[in-house]
Amino acid sequence: NAGVTQTPKFQVLKTGQSMTLQCAQDMNHEYMSWYRQDPGMGLRLIHYSVGAGITDQGEVPNGYNVSRSTTEDFPLRLLSAAPSQTSVYFCASSYSSTRGVIQYFGAGTRLSVL
Amino acid sequence: DQQVKQNSPSLSVQEGRISILNCDYTNSMFDYFLWYKKYPAEGPTFLISISSIKDKNEDGRFTVFLNKSAKHLSLHIVPSQPGDSAVYFCAANAGNNRKLIWGLGTSLAVNP
Repeated sequence: NAGVTQTPKFQVLKTGQSMTLQCAQDMNHEYMSWYRQDPGMGLRLIHYSVGAGITDQGEVPNGYNVSRSTTEDFPLRLLSAAPSQTSVYFCASSYSSTRGVIQYFGAGTRLSVL
Repeated sequence: DQQVKQNSPSLSVQEGRISILNCDYTNSMFDYFLWYKKYPAEGPTFLISISSIKDKNEDGRFTVFLNKSAKHLSLHIVPSQPGDSAVYFCAANAGNNRKLIWGLGTSLAVNP
């Protein structure tokens, strides 16, 4: 199993450009989420999905769109990139177990907006 | 309003000694607490968890202690190894909500 795959690993954008961060999982998990990690800010939830066709906002959703047409894929779209969106982005898929909610993360996308 | 707090941004210990990472929470509805470990340039990975009905869970060198009355948990690593150097996140969830509430992380450095 590949787990959670994120592409690209690195990206540089100019202010105002748009792009899509790809995320795919092969574990058949219903729940997927996008986080951003900034220095001193921990992991902040951008958007999440509880299944195909269902998405909802996290704590920092502005400037980002998501869709979930399949169980496997959960792309994150930046509509008009801003320097404040410079960050490391992580996609995760998760399941509930007797040990709690176990999240599996991708390796991350490091985005710089100039 | 942080529901999960890790008040120590960093911790440095000598190889072979004990590392103790602390986490406080405010929401008494949390029923699972989890620790994740993150190396640079990688995503976080699940390390160990504890149910709110227990006060201790052990897995090899890693032990989680939960004090519900104090709303406090700690992760003990014994003995600490240089490969344990990473950022450790404390997280919690409540009931059927699969959303995890995260602390800000503690960066652990284990010195040879």
